[in-house]
Amino acid sequence: KAGVTQTPRYLIKTRGQQVTLSCSPISGHRSVSWYQQTPGQGLQFLFEYFSETQRNKGNFPGRFSGRQFSNSRSEMNVSTLELGDSALYLCASSLAGGAPPQHFGDGTRLSIL
Amino acid sequence: KNEVEQSPQNLTAQEGEFITINCSYSVGISALHWLQQHPGGGIVSLFMLSSGKKKHGRLIATINIQEKHSSLHITASHPRDSAVYICAVGYVYSGGGADGLTFGKGTHLIIQP
Repeated sequence: KAGVTQTPRYLIKTRGQQVTLSCSPISGHRSVSWYQQTPGQGLQFLFEYFSETQRNKGNFPGRFSGRQFSNSRSEMNVSTLELGDSALYLCASSLAGGAPPQHFGDGTRLSIL
Repeated sequence: KNEVEQSPQNLTAQEGEFITINCSYSVGISALHWLQQHPGGGIVSLFMLSSGKKKHGRLIATINIQEKHSSLHITASHPRDSAVYICAVGYVYSGGGADGLTFGKGTHLIIQP
């Protein structure tokens, strides 16, 4: 069974640009959660999508948004990029979301110049 | 908001030693996860616990719900166990929704040959 796939693995952008990251969950999983990992703040929850609906959102500005498609694939968008957005972005999928076991992708490492 | 504290932050040990990593949290939870992150970023979920004790090979995880505390133990440690170990907690509501996971800062473990 294929794992969680995130694309691209690495990305370099400049301040003010926008970026879209993609996450394909494990087949059959309907929940996709996104996380940001930085050296200073560690791992932080961004949002969770379940059956194409955002079910939960962390404490991030509105520049961070996402969506989920009918095949459960999810995209995360960050607009007006700032230097502080440089991070590893991880997505995780699970059957139902939240506390049940989550399967993580390898992440997208975003660098802002 | 749940506060998750891990200790120690850094741990260097010799091959074969018994390792203990601790995690404390401030608010009642539905489940606690232990995650392993190797250099490069990929995260593997080791355990999900809601009570008691679980064992996989040389890894043992325990949780005390009353004391809001969990421990991860590694027996007969090996250099390949070198990684960052992260504790995360979550809460699932009876209606089916869930809070996003809250993470500890991680424990950097190095096992020397």
